[in-house]
Amino acid sequence: AQKITQTQPGMFVQEKEAVTLDCTYDTSDQSYGLFWYKQPSSGEMIFLIYQGSYDEQNATEGRYSLNFQKARKSANLVISASQLGDSAMYFCAMREAPWGGSNYKLTFGKGTLLTVNP
Amino acid sequence: EPEVTQTPSHQVTQMGQEVILRCVPISNHLYFYWYRQILGQKVEFLVSFYNNEISEKSEIFDDQFSVERPDGSNFTLKIRSTKLEDSAMYFCASTQGLGAYNEQFFGPGTRLTVL
Repeated sequence: AQKITQTQPGMFVQEKEAVTLDCTYDTSDQSYGLFWYKQPSSGEMIFLIYQGSYDEQNATEGRYSLNFQKARKSANLVISASQLGDSAMYFCAMREAPWGGSNYKLTFGKGTLLTVNP
Repeated sequence: EPEVTQTPSHQVTQMGQEVILRCVPISNHLYFYWYRQILGQKVEFLVSFYNNEISEKSEIFDDQFSVERPDGSNFTLKIRSTKLEDSAMYFCASTQGLGAYNEQFFGPGTRLTVL
């Protein structure tokens, strides 16, 4: 089973509008972190935002917010006031923290390609 | 702001050749990772490294791959005999500490092309 599912291969949004990118996850661990990364066409991975499993408040970073619904196991990224520079691939990722673990690798979803139209 | 660096940015090699991809993690970080991303696909974990040894490796990380921290700053990924299917972007990442909440900082990647 996929640990991270991003069901939207591509999304389009008008400049200045808000957009939500979906992410659902699967884990049996109690402690985990959820991350969103942006990958522009140049290829680098840019960290945007994270949410810890014990955080009660939804994470926010500037125009980015994470809509965390723990019971539904979803961690959707909301980008407000989209800009042309937001056009990129967006990856949701999870780090599980099993008891006694020593790795904490990230597991990524397949990504959503966001296109912002002028 | 400290950052992870990787060299080269692009490497072209012939099938069967050995390649070494280099990374300089952030200086006070203790945990190091290699990921790869085949063009158009998701990012996949290859290997994690801590305290001078591999802590976990994926099924992709077979005997053709090895990692090393030859000195206090560099972290390398070696592919002994490259195959066409090794063509991908390879990302190095590092993190300061364990725990689910520690951000992994990614380098800019090395694009490997195997001909």
